[in-house]
Amino acid sequence: DVKVTQSSRYLVKRTGEKVFLECVQDMDHENMFWYRQDPGLGLRLIYFSYDVKMKEKGDIPEGYSVSREKKERFSLILESASTNQTSMYLCASSSPNEQFFGPGTRLTVL
Amino acid sequence: ELKVEQNPLFLSMQEGKNYTIYCNYSTTSDRLYWYRQDPGKSLESLFVLLSNGAVKQEGRLMASLDTKARLSTLHITAAVHDLSATYFCAARYNQFYFGTGTSLTVIP
Repeated sequence: DVKVTQSSRYLVKRTGEKVFLECVQDMDHENMFWYRQDPGLGLRLIYFSYDVKMKEKGDIPEGYSVSREKKERFSLILESASTNQTSMYLCASSSPNEQFFGPGTRLTVL
Repeated sequence: ELKVEQNPLFLSMQEGKNYTIYCNYSTTSDRLYWYRQDPGKSLESLFVLLSNGAVKQEGRLMASLDTKARLSTLHITAAVHDLSATYFCAARYNQFYFGTGTSLTVIP
């Protein structure tokens, strides 16, 4: 059974904190993605990675960075969390033909 | 950039009725995906359509792809309450481009 896991289901942080969201896949996929989902705005791509140490900006990279040191792990970093980064964060990995999502992390920034 | 338009955005239908959700995309793509999302949950893959004319069915849901018209449809047959969810389509051109979702409510 394919698996994408995320480190936390719920997270509460304070403004200005550095936040790490971790995503791990066990399918040996080269492509991994970070999205955020907000009501009325759908899914928006933050960053994606097509190989270890490779990354590409998505539609809304501002305020975020990513790290891909190992093939199975893709981390999203909020350097200095702000209240407008309160959202549902979804990680995904893909083969050439299919994309699988993790369970999501609901982040609240106070 | 590939644009994906989905309609309707909201759909309320009675149990037992049929309906179709439409997904149009703006640029050539030969891969079209349908997902289901329940409230508070992540996205679950329903269908992957990889070629023109592809048709896939699972239970009361059937998806099809017409790459020439840049159109995919998700047809619901004899709706039941358990199908209430938000449905997303996505087209792939390097990255995945998602529609805004169709929130489906099936009422008795």
